[in-house]
Parts: sequence; structure tokens; C-alpha cells
Amino acid sequence: QKEVEQNSGPLSVPEGAIASLNCTYSDRGSQSFFWYRQYSGKSPELIMFIYSNGDKEDGRFTAQLNKASQYVSLLIRDSQPSDSATYLCACGSNDYKLSFGAGTTVTVRA
Amino acid sequence: DADVTQTPRNRITKTGKRIMLECSQTKGHDRMYWYRQDPGLGLRLIYYSFDVKDINKGEISDGYSVSRQAQAKFSLSLESAIPNQTALYFCATSDLGRPNTGELFFGEGSRLTVL
Repeated sequence: QKEVEQNSGPLSVPEGAIASLNCTYSDRGSQSFFWYRQYSGKSPELIMFIYSNGDKEDGRFTAQLNKASQYVSLLIRDSQPSDSATYLCACGSNDYKLSFGAGTTVTVRA
Repeated sequence: DADVTQTPRNRITKTGKRIMLECSQTKGHDRMYWYRQDPGLGLRLIYYSFDVKDINKGEISDGYSVSRQAQAKFSLSLESAIPNQTALYFCATSDLGRPNTGELFFGEGSRLTVL
């Protein structure tokens, strides 16, 4: 069973602050890592993917991957109320399936 | 129109009834998946298919069956629904050409309640 663990949350941050989300995974064969955002009652949508160790930035979002520590994180800078959602970490390997964490709910306070 | 369409979007049924959830896609992707989502448990894979002749069980396939009628259609059936199958069900697709597992594209979800 591939396990993907996320900090349980909920995470409440003030508008304009940095939200930091963490994810660990058990399968050392994992090669691809994804962060999905899911608004309440809606389907998940991809916001970031990362394959290599280090940081990857896309606008206000930065994904960080450390394969030695089996750790993936997502930073949301200048958090906005529209960032309030549940964030799902997912890991994939050569079997072409994604394993998801339970998600961390983020609330951005105006 | 959505690229991945699920029907029905909401369904209430009774214990023991047969129910089918349907998924169709216009993305031209070969790979299709069925996940269920429960509060606090995230998304769990039920079945997946890499082409019309390929069907594979996921981590929680007991009590479910699937049919891949065409490249664009993948249906999930509950032969005899039970209350703990009450959940939000998502169909997803991915592109064979993507590196590794690639991004998943989700349908809008089907909320199933079994009384």
C-alpha cells in the first residue's frame, strides 16, 4: 500500500501571508509529484507538478521536492481568500497510478 | 462543455439496488480511472483502464465492477449497493504520452447516497 501523508490541518492563515503545506510519501519508487486544489463540492484541479529535487516556482506557488527525505511541500505566497480550498498531494510511479493524501484544508482570513 | 462528463451528478438509492455511474471523455486519452472520495480519506482508486481491453483493480475494488465500452467511455457499477458506498465518485483520464504517470483530468463528480 503506497501511503501519502499530509499535515491534517485545517490551516488558517491571514491574507497576504505564506501558507506552507507538507506531504510525505512511503514509496521510494515514486517519480512524479503533484499538488491539486479542490474547492468544496468541486473536482480536483492541478496547480503544480514536480519531478526533480529542488524548488519549482509558478506564480505565487512554489513546490519543493526532497526525494532523499521523501518529502514534498507547497508554499503559497501572498495568500488570497480565493486560495481557501483543500490541497491534495499525489505521488506517481511507473505503474501509471496516482496515490493521494487525505488533503489539507486551507482557510485564508481576510 | 466539460471534457470529462459524469452521469448522474447526484443519486440517492436504497440498499441492495444496482447502480451505474457513467463517464465519457472528449480528451482522446487512453487511460481512465474511477476514484472515490470520503471525508478524511482522500481519493482512493477503485478501478483503472489503460485501453479498451485492459481493466485493472485498484486498492478498493470489492463491491464494484467496471466496463470500458469504448476509448471514451468507462462505467462503474455497484451490483448491490450498501450504505458504506455512500461517497463522492470521480472519473479521471490521463494522456498516455505524458512522462511518468502524468496529470489526471477529473470529471465533476457523482455524489452517491445509499440509504
